[in-house]
Amino acid sequence: DVKVTQSSRYLVKRTGEKVFLECVQDMDHENMFWYRQDPGLGLRLIYFSYDVKMKEKGDIPEGYSVSREKKERFSLILESASTNQTSMYLCASGWGGANNEQFFGPGTRLTVL
Amino acid sequence: AQSVAQPEDQVNVAEGNPLTVKCTYSVSGNPYLFWYVQYPNRGLQFLLKYITGDNLVKGSYGFEAEFNKSQTSFHLKKPSALVSDSALYFCAVRPYGQNFVFGPGTRLSVLP
Repeated sequence: DVKVTQSSRYLVKRTGEKVFLECVQDMDHENMFWYRQDPGLGLRLIYFSYDVKMKEKGDIPEGYSVSREKKERFSLILESASTNQTSMYLCASGWGGANNEQFFGPGTRLTVL
Repeated sequence: AQSVAQPEDQVNVAEGNPLTVKCTYSVSGNPYLFWYVQYPNRGLQFLLKYITGDNLVKGSYGFEAEFNKSQTSFHLKKPSALVSDSALYFCAVRPYGQNFVFGPGTRLSVLP
């Protein structure tokens, strides 16, 4: 079974803190993605990566950055957390090709106070 | 702009009855179509997808979905609902060469 793990299930941070969310997949997938999920808005793509050291902005990249130093690991960084970044963050991975589904991690519920 | 609509925020159905969760989309070209399910405090799980061929696609846990090109719809169905089907369901489309576009989600409640 494909496994996508995220470093924390729940996280509470203060405004202005730097926050790291880590994601690891064990299926040698080329593609990795970070989404945020908010009620009524579905999933919105923050950043994605199609290869090691490669990153592309998604629909809502402002206030975030990412790092992909190894194929299996994709990190999301909040440089200076703000209250409007309180959300559920979902990592996903998948094989190349538009007809392939994505595999999701369990999510990190981040609260910024 | 490309979009996916799930017109019902909430669907309630009695256990044993058939269920339908609706999805329509507005994207360019002929996208690939997907359904995912999310149980409480969990990530999304893939249910099924339409790539090409037969308009009726079968997936996990007895779910199926019907693709209608003229109506740009991809409704999720199950002949007999279970209480354990209660969850949040997301429709997603993937235009060729682009990333996924997700709908807002529909919460399904199956009542015993």
